[in-house]
Amino acid sequence: NAGVTQTPKFRILKIGQSMTLQCAQDMNHNYMYWYRQDPGMGLKLIYYSVGAGITDKGEVPNGYNVSRSTTEDFPLRLELAAPSQTSVYFCASSRQGVFEKLFFGSGTQLSVL
Amino acid sequence: RKEVEQDPGPFNVPEGATVAFNCTYSNSASQSFFWYRQDCRKEPKLLMSVYSSGNEDGRFTAQLNRASQYISLLIRDSKLSDSATYLCVVNIRQDSGAGSYQLTFGKGTKLSVIP
Repeated sequence: NAGVTQTPKFRILKIGQSMTLQCAQDMNHNYMYWYRQDPGMGLKLIYYSVGAGITDKGEVPNGYNVSRSTTEDFPLRLELAAPSQTSVYFCASSRQGVFEKLFFGSGTQLSVL
Repeated sequence: RKEVEQDPGPFNVPEGATVAFNCTYSNSASQSFFWYRQDCRKEPKLLMSVYSSGNEDGRFTAQLNRASQYISLLIRDSKLSDSATYLCVVNIRQDSGAGSYQLTFGKGTKLSVIP
């Protein structure tokens, strides 16, 4: 059972480039999330989804986009990368939203130079 | 008040010591409370959920005080392997999007257990 799989693990982007962070889960969870974690800070919610075709903004959505065409996949798109998007990104899923544990992917370390 | 606020730390304790972490939250309507553990450069993992009556899991005890909007985590007989950052997590109503309740993380308290 793979759980939540994130790719890539590391990436360096130049300012203005775009990329997609991939996230897939094999637990048939409806709820999926993208967080970012800056050094010494708590995780901040970027976007979340309560099921295929349904997404909504979290606390820090600017500069990002998401889609949820299937239950399994929840990619995060960065358009026009900026140095402020340098962070560690975590994808997570859960069975019943805020009432049950989050299963996290292993994270993506992104640097924008 | 910040939404989820934790002791700033770091806590440096000897093996065998008892250590307590505190966390306060801003939303009196919050219903879900958790402690997560995060090792350096790793993803967070659930340590334990926090229930109104308090709960215990081996050397770990979590308490919830709804009146004071306060959560605690007590670790007894600390082990070297307990060294990590402990994250307090509470569901808080979001100002953005649909205004739903989402899990909000504190900044974490770093624990180092020293031989």
